[in-house]
Amino acid sequence: LAKTTQPISMDSYEGQEVNITCSHNNIATNDYITWYQQFPSQGPRFIIQGYKTKVTNEVASLFIPADRKSSTLSLPRVSLSDTAVYYCLVVENYGQNFVFGPGTRLSVLP
Amino acid sequence: DTAVSQTPKYLVTQMGNDKSIKCEQNLGHDTMYWYKQDSKKFLKIMFSYNNKELIINETVPNRFSPKSPDKAHLNLHINSLELGDSAVYFCASSQEGAGPGKNTEAFFGQGTRLTVV
Repeated sequence: LAKTTQPISMDSYEGQEVNITCSHNNIATNDYITWYQQFPSQGPRFIIQGYKTKVTNEVASLFIPADRKSSTLSLPRVSLSDTAVYYCLVVENYGQNFVFGPGTRLSVLP
Repeated sequence: DTAVSQTPKYLVTQMGNDKSIKCEQNLGHDTMYWYKQDSKKFLKIMFSYNNKELIINETVPNRFSPKSPDKAHLNLHINSLELGDSAVYFCASSQEGAGPGKNTEAFFGQGTRLTVV
């Protein structure tokens, strides 16, 4: 299983763009990069998933360089409600083994 | 409609007791999971069931036993509860990826906060 490494915590202010980078040096060919968000007292929630280059949805963008050894989750113009823990996962294609690392605790300040 | 629901939401019990946590998903998924989140917020997978068969059993004590009466339910039974079992337990479900480019997304319940005193 590819191990992921991401910062333990980050602080930001409302309206700023936040970029959280995750390292996954031993990612395999069949692995997909997936990000989850967890609010206090709730279960994790899927945000975005990608294989290579750039993926964008209504919530975030995911940037993946050609070597796929890292990825960056980009949250545009964060608000206080984006304060949460963000988990980077590497999931094998067809796979159902979701292994969570410690995550990045994002605090958005007014 | 709640996709993955687990009960109870809170459970306070004494050491040595036996308790169960129930989980149901209405998404038609083939696979269900149990995760444990400790006080440091680390999420660790405990069990995974695919079509009522255990496919992952991480190194959890055999006091923990998952029971899956059908693919929509995965209950967690815990015998002889210990103080260290206090944590938040999450149930989740997913559908096997349909192929390259197809998302395999896990849906989580709201969690059960277990406190052993």
